[in-house]
Amino acid sequence: AQSVSQHNHHVILSEAASLELGCNYSYGGTVNLFWYVQYPGQHLQLLLKYFSGDPLVKGIKGFEAEFIKSKFSFNLRKPSVQWSDTAEYFCAASGAIYRATASKLTFGTGTRLQVTL
Amino acid sequence: GAGVSQSPRYKVAKRGQDVALRCDPISGHVSLFWYQQALGQGPEFLTYFQNEAQLDKSGLPSDRFFAERPEGSVSTLKIQRTQQEDSAVYLCASSLFSGGKGATIHNEQFFGPGTRLTVL
Repeated sequence: AQSVSQHNHHVILSEAASLELGCNYSYGGTVNLFWYVQYPGQHLQLLLKYFSGDPLVKGIKGFEAEFIKSKFSFNLRKPSVQWSDTAEYFCAASGAIYRATASKLTFGTGTRLQVTL
Repeated sequence: GAGVSQSPRYKVAKRGQDVALRCDPISGHVSLFWYQQALGQGPEFLTYFQNEAQLDKSGLPSDRFFAERPEGSVSTLKIQRTQQEDSAVYLCASSLFSGGKGATIHNEQFFGPGTRLTVL
């Protein structure tokens, strides 16, 4: 069965600290990977995505993630967090797109990041 | 607007009542998804449409849940005889999908703000 695991449920960091949020997936076949962010009171927004090619993916707001196939991981990183990064972060995966149909997302349970001043 | 919209944003229902949740996808987006997000959890897939065709409804939790997209744009998720366990945020997402030989395939899903359903 397809699954996504996020090990950190709640992370508290001081501003300027470095961030790494873990994500592991279990998927048969080719996988597409995503990180979504949900700021307080707002809807889910895409931070970054990996489809193929360079395993180091850069997204918006200084976030990046590295796809390590051998570890089934897609960890999210940011060298220096800001107070405005306080949000919930979701890792998600989908199967590769085939001609007949798009592919549903399987989400992890989310990590709540709290950045203190 | 340019994004996915959902209405109502909040819905309170008495147990046993029927509810209908609406999703307006981004114009031109072929694919439409419904997800259910329980408190403290990540979204879970309910059903998927490509244009007006419902291609996957494997995530619908029971036959009380029904979704439609009759003209390939607006979609409605209907829950009959609501139960307390149906309380959740219901998210709609749309994506631009172009099938066919040689076509570019997009799978970035754009989410709406969700409808928070509370069943008393």
